[in-house]
Amino acid sequence: DAGVIQSPRHEVTEMGQEVTLRCKPISGHDYLFWYRQTMMRGLELLIYFNNNVPIDDSGMPEDRFSAKMPNASFSTLKIQPSEPRDSAVYFCASSQPTGLDTEAFFGQGTRLTVV
Amino acid sequence: TQLLEQSPQFLSIQEGENLTVYCNSSSVFSSLQWYRQEPGEGPVLLVTVVTGGEVKKLKRLTFQFGDARKDSSLHITAAQPGDTGLYLCAGVSDYKLSFGAGTTVTVRA
Repeated sequence: DAGVIQSPRHEVTEMGQEVTLRCKPISGHDYLFWYRQTMMRGLELLIYFNNNVPIDDSGMPEDRFSAKMPNASFSTLKIQPSEPRDSAVYFCASSQPTGLDTEAFFGQGTRLTVV
Repeated sequence: TQLLEQSPQFLSIQEGENLTVYCNSSSVFSSLQWYRQEPGEGPVLLVTVVTGGEVKKLKRLTFQFGDARKDSSLHITAAQPGDTGLYLCAGVSDYKLSFGAGTTVTVRA
């Protein structure tokens, strides 16, 4: 397996524009997580899915953020409209728990810059 | 508010020296994990500790889980430049991972 695949790797957009980040989890993994990483706040959990169903979206900062997982192999995180304070690295991760072991496999991230 | 507090925030040492990074929480997690992240990459799992008082060794890295399962430490012996990176602890609860802010470790040659 190629691991968790995110696209694009870099995105620069103007304030007010819609941004869509994409993620392909590792095949067979039932859990998918979206994180945001900044220097100020570290790695924050935004939302996570189990078997394509959103379980906890309490980390989503505002209604401008939305996430979907239409099938087991694809998820999107959308920001509409984007603002400069949304600039961060967004990570997608997937996992398949076995007992108490829950290793999360991360993608390489999408570096978002909103100007 | 971070559930997991890591200290120190930054650590810069000479090659060959030892270092310890700490992770403390007010909550009890079912397990605690340590990840290492390099620039431009996502975090990669180093170890999972489950039992209070548990000690795990991974070559020059030693991980301890506190008896109350609220704190953990990572000790690196004879650090090498290849150990440079961001070290993150993560608490696992209901298969959800909550991360600390991380410790940036720099090992100078």
